[in-house]
Amino acid sequence: GAGVSQTPSNKVTEKGKYVELRCDPISGHTALYWYRQSLGQGPEFLIYFQGTGAADDSGLPNDRFFAVRPEGSVSTLKIQRTERGDSAVYLCASSSSGGSTDTQYFGPGTRLTVL
Amino acid sequence: ILNVEQSPQSLHVQEGDSTNFTCSFPSSNFYALHWYRWETAKSPEALFVMTLNGDEKKKGRISATLNTKEGYSYLYIKGSQPEDSATYLCAFSNQAGTALIFGKGTTLSVSS
Repeated sequence: GAGVSQTPSNKVTEKGKYVELRCDPISGHTALYWYRQSLGQGPEFLIYFQGTGAADDSGLPNDRFFAVRPEGSVSTLKIQRTERGDSAVYLCASSSSGGSTDTQYFGPGTRLTVL
Repeated sequence: ILNVEQSPQSLHVQEGDSTNFTCSFPSSNFYALHWYRWETAKSPEALFVMTLNGDEKKKGRISATLNTKEGYSYLYIKGSQPEDSATYLCAFSNQAGTALIFGKGTTLSVSS
């Protein structure tokens, strides 16, 4: 079956612009996670959705970052007024129910470059 | 601050060599330890989820052990092959339903 997909695979933007990153989780998975991997670091948690609601957004670095999942499937991560420090690989993962022992299945990521 | 440490940061082995990596994590309030393999330009691939002290898991030539009391896990690769070249990430969760906390990974390069 289809895995987690993310679009675009690469995004180059200019400082100050707005970007949207999309994640299509595995069908039927209620839990969806966004992570960010900066150069030389491991993936860092941003936000976790259970269904349509953000159950934990403690990892969002500031109010320029926002994510939605209006129908409980596709999610969009939105970044306003991008800064060079936002350059990273943004990973999306989904799991069947969100339990800590559930496997999280990852997409291939979106590489964001802010010039 | 919850830290996951992985060592070594990188290593290079010859085809046929066996190798192992270490993942250290906080042992308090432990829930689960996850191992992933991430090849360049691909999605991170789940290898193992481990929950119990003393757990041992195996998938082909790759195996992992878990010690929750002292807070470490080992990943072993027997008879490394060039296709094993990847970054191996470990991640732990200390609370049901929340995000994974990742280490920086160990990057393995296998030469033929």
